[in-house]
Amino acid sequence: QVQLQESGPGLVKPSQTLSLTCTVSGGSVSSGYYWSWIRQPAGKGLEWIGRIYTSGSTNYNPSLKSRVTISLDTSKNQFSLKLTSVTAADTAVYYCARDRVGASYFDSWGQGTLVTVSS
Amino acid sequence: QSALTQPASVSGSPGQSITISCTGTSSDVGNYYLVSWYQQHPGKAPKLMIYEVTKRPSGVSNRFSGSKSGNTASLTISGLQAEDEADYYCCSYAGSYTYVFGTGTKVTVL
Repeated sequence: QVQLQESGPGLVKPSQTLSLTCTVSGGSVSSGYYWSWIRQPAGKGLEWIGRIYTSGSTNYNPSLKSRVTISLDTSKNQFSLKLTSVTAADTAVYYCARDRVGASYFDSWGQGTLVTVSS
Repeated sequence: QSALTQPASVSGSPGQSITISCTGTSSDVGNYYLVSWYQQHPGKAPKLMIYEVTKRPSGVSNRFSGSKSGNTASLTISGLQAEDEADYYCCSYAGSYTYVFGTGTKVTVL
């Protein structure tokens, strides 16, 4: 049973870069899945941020594409999110999730981590 | 790429059936058989309930079923139980290797 765990700073200052890592256990990030980031502002809905494939190829939400980078570290069995030039609107719970290739659904999720953007 | 439209809330009594709609466009829901549904209890991560419009993952109750007609997908919960009270989100592949989620529906068991 694959498990995902997000980690990173819970507080980021406006205009700075948000950086999060998702550690995968019970499975390998090299095992032929997509690995996604999804966020949820308090009291609001889910927003897909982007994903990375085992090969390192990436896809991003067009509305965030200019500020997002997702990367893979196979040696640590992790993948990461960087979101630049953050504002208060980026305050949210950030989830990492496994995305089934060709089937387009998220079958395993991390517990989520709250990131607050504030000075 | 706009969020898929869901009713803000749906309620029902124990034992009843309820249906949650998820309306998109011909660029997402209407063009792909790739709609999934997620259940989210307060403070918890979403849980996959339905994928590829009608399929149920192992371990998900058969009281949950999905369907699609045109640009609208639907999730039906039959034999409503107290534990079904949660938020529900639909999600669709939206082309160009992107996804779009629904606005979310709060299900209340009366």
